[in-house]
Amino acid sequence: SQTIHQWPATLVQPVGSPLSLECTVEGTSNPNLYWYRQAAGRGLQLLFYSVGIGQISSEVPQNLSASRPQDRQFILSSKKLLLSDSGFYLCAWSLRRGSNTGELFFGEGSRLTVL
Amino acid sequence: QKEVEQNSGPLSVPEGAIASLNCTYSDRVSQSFFWYRQYSGKSPELIMSIYSNGDKEDGRFTAQLNKASQYVSLLIRDSQPSDSATYLCAVEALSGGYNKLIFGAGTRLAVHP
Repeated sequence: SQTIHQWPATLVQPVGSPLSLECTVEGTSNPNLYWYRQAAGRGLQLLFYSVGIGQISSEVPQNLSASRPQDRQFILSSKKLLLSDSGFYLCAWSLRRGSNTGELFFGEGSRLTVL
Repeated sequence: QKEVEQNSGPLSVPEGAIASLNCTYSDRVSQSFFWYRQYSGKSPELIMSIYSNGDKEDGRFTAQLNKASQYVSLLIRDSQPSDSATYLCAVEALSGGYNKLIFGAGTRLAVHP
């Protein structure tokens, strides 16, 4: 069966510090991978989307970046965090089905607080 | 901008009652619809997917889709306190050249004993 893991689960970072969140998927090949952010009391905002190694689509301009160095690994990074980067970050995967997204399955989430 | 709208709630129902959660969407050509449950502090988990007009039942859950009215709902029969969570509606829409899931802000459901 497929599983998805992301870490760290919780982190508190000062403004201006770097960030690295990592996500890996097991039990499937060639998945679509996503990074979402959920601000307190709000819906999920899609940040990045990847259909393959090295292929990243950015949904909104921001100081975050994403990379996919391996088929089942997705990394979210920032060189300098802003207060507004605080939130609950969720990695998700779906099976590749042509142009369709299909069902998304989420990791456990990483709660980031920027002080 | 493609949108998915949900009443934020809280929707309060007594244990054993039917909870009805509603969602409307703006993209008329959307073909795939999903309901997720999110407990406080946890990540969303998929409950139901629906692709055709009508009802789809899975245990105590029934998803209903009406594409003409751009409306999708989730019914929870025999509601239990463990059903208390935020329910997110998600709609697949074409945006920026590719399909993506657009999520509503969620409806908070509270089932009281």
